[in-house]
Amino acid sequence: DAKTTQPNSMESNEEEPVHLPCNHSTISGTDYIHWYRQLPSQGPEYVIHGLTSNVNNRMASLAIAEDRKSSTLILHRATLRDAAVYYCILRDVDSGYALNFGKGTSLLVTP
Amino acid sequence: DTGVSQNPRHKITKRGQNVTFRCDPISEHNRLYWYRQTLGQGPEFLTYFQNEAQLEKSRLLSDRFSAERPKGSFSTLEIQRTEQGDSAMYLCASSLALRQGYTFGSGTRLTVV
Repeated sequence: DAKTTQPNSMESNEEEPVHLPCNHSTISGTDYIHWYRQLPSQGPEYVIHGLTSNVNNRMASLAIAEDRKSSTLILHRATLRDAAVYYCILRDVDSGYALNFGKGTSLLVTP
Repeated sequence: DTGVSQNPRHKITKRGQNVTFRCDPISEHNRLYWYRQTLGQGPEFLTYFQNEAQLEKSRLLSDRFSAERPKGSFSTLEIQRTEQGDSAMYLCASSLALRQGYTFGSGTRLTVV
């Protein structure tokens, strides 16, 4: 799987939108972009995934650049419970089953 | 549906002992995955089952590690002759289809002393 680059940490104020960036300049045409988050002392939690088009669900939105070399996870209104490590992962389902997590972005949400 | 269940939550063992962890996936999920996570790192893939068949193993899974999924339901991960370097969180996940998101359990934290 191609690699992703994320900032080590970000900080946001409660009730403000948060934009978490991810660069994946070597993405291939069959790589899906997945986002997971991990709260302290818990296993990772699936957030959202997409291939080419922007995606929305009840947790977040995923904005994918037109050239697919970057994407942004958008939390529309951060809460204290959104403080977690956010992982951006590329996955080609045709070549393997593993999710290759990096170190992710540690999001701090302040009141 | 109670999600993915892992037992025990914590395990402390002496170096050289064998340990076994259990994972109960979401009942209708036929795909099951094991990961390992050390402090400050993201989870690392260990192995994957589709039903009872173990289809992929990471090179991280040394010959001291063995995983099974009899009858395609729960899975066990055994570590023989534990070493201090095995201390980590062991995570299990399941999914219904390859293109769906995974549901992870809360993990088993192993401490080898």
